[in-house]
Amino acid sequence: QQQVKQSPQSLIVQKGGISIINCAYENTAFDYFPWYQQFPGKGPALLIAIRPDVSEKKEGRFTISFNKSAKQFSLHIMDSQPGDSATYFCAASMNSGGYQKVTFGTGTKLQVIP
Amino acid sequence: ETGVTQTPRHLVMGMTNKKSLKCEQHLGHNAMYWYKQSAKKPLELMFVYSLEERVENNSVPSRFSPECPNSSHLFLHLHTLQPEDSALYLCASSSTQIAGTNEQFFGPGTRLTVL
Repeated sequence: QQQVKQSPQSLIVQKGGISIINCAYENTAFDYFPWYQQFPGKGPALLIAIRPDVSEKKEGRFTISFNKSAKQFSLHIMDSQPGDSATYFCAASMNSGGYQKVTFGTGTKLQVIP
Repeated sequence: ETGVTQTPRHLVMGMTNKKSLKCEQHLGHNAMYWYKQSAKKPLELMFVYSLEERVENNSVPSRFSPECPNSSHLFLHLHTLQPEDSALYLCASSSTQIAGTNEQFFGPGTRLTVL
């Protein structure tokens, strides 16, 4: 019930195209859904996040779509650029005894080709 | 130094060695985490310290021993590791005192290889 399923495992997109990564969760106690971006040799960094009372959040070229009833959420990267090439992790978290307990997906390696 | 720093960045050790990983956060946070990142697996939460008290230990083998001497520093002591322990070890921190803040800030990780 703590699992977060992420797909696809890898994705190749042409420059200017749309990258879409999907995630699904089971536990309805999760109350925060972040996406992290990780470049080689670096730790993950928060990219964008959403709470379940909102169906969509947009920040620049990055949009999260959230479907509470289906327990699914997705990341859309518009006008994908080679600099977006990285590994993306979806996650779901809840407050647990004073700290954030985060469950991560398995990651999607995105390659944007010129 | 800003954010979350980790040392060393790379570590190669034999199965009989004892070594320690160090993490330092400069963000004024009060919770710190150790994660293990292996290829094609989700990040695995190992330990959590909140207000310098260990609040979670996710069935981690005793050959991994955490230490949190204060809210800014976190250590992971390693001894008699196995080759399958080779992975990227990530430290993260967060604040439990700012309402609505859930973000965890990660360090760059220590790439550990056990021979």
